[in-house]
Amino acid sequence: DADVTQTPRNRITKTGKRIMLECSQTKGHDRMYWYRQDPGLGLRLIYYSFDVKDINKGEISDGYSVSRQAQAKFSLSLESAIPNQTALYFCATSVLNRAGETQYFGPGTRLLVL
Amino acid sequence: GEDVEQSLFLSVREGDSSVINCTYTDSSSTYLYWYKQEPGAGLQLLTYIFSNMDMKQDQRLTVLLNKKDKHLSLRIADTQTGDSAIYFCAENTGGFKTIFGAGTRLFVKA
Repeated sequence: DADVTQTPRNRITKTGKRIMLECSQTKGHDRMYWYRQDPGLGLRLIYYSFDVKDINKGEISDGYSVSRQAQAKFSLSLESAIPNQTALYFCATSVLNRAGETQYFGPGTRLLVL
Repeated sequence: GEDVEQSLFLSVREGDSSVINCTYTDSSSTYLYWYKQEPGAGLQLLTYIFSNMDMKQDQRLTVLLNKKDKHLSLRIADTQTGDSAIYFCAENTGGFKTIFGAGTRLFVKA
């Protein structure tokens, strides 16, 4: 079974709609992240959370919000979707180990905003 | 500022060696990583190197670090079609924040 799961895997929505992307993990990690991936731009950090009571903005948080419902769950919301939010979204967890900070990624959610 | 740059595409023949290059800007980076993204999947850690090392070898993978030039490379020996993927260079200064490059898409021709 996957350690980091994301739902839905694919989503098509219209401009102005509110949508939520969900992430669950069974790795027991405190740190969780939301990234978006765009061709040629790599991964950009949207929000991150070090524990249930800690939420921080990343480099591109405008137009997004998050909720850390439990250690295992971290959801991303687009309050009013716009076409330039069309992207591949990844949830990740991380742990400090001998490799520094290793990140574990979910399979991604492909979002299309029409 | 922090930035990680890498070329976007690389094409090699099966059996040849692949070399993927990366430059980074943060001289305080403690850990440098290579992540692999296969089609339809998230990124997975492939290998890493500490900043006080010059080279690390792990089976077919060789990581070279030139700290003076802030240059990192990943060499894949005897490249196979299963190595076709996107490879991300990343750096971490020891805190929470890992900075990723844009990714290099490796095409392996049979």
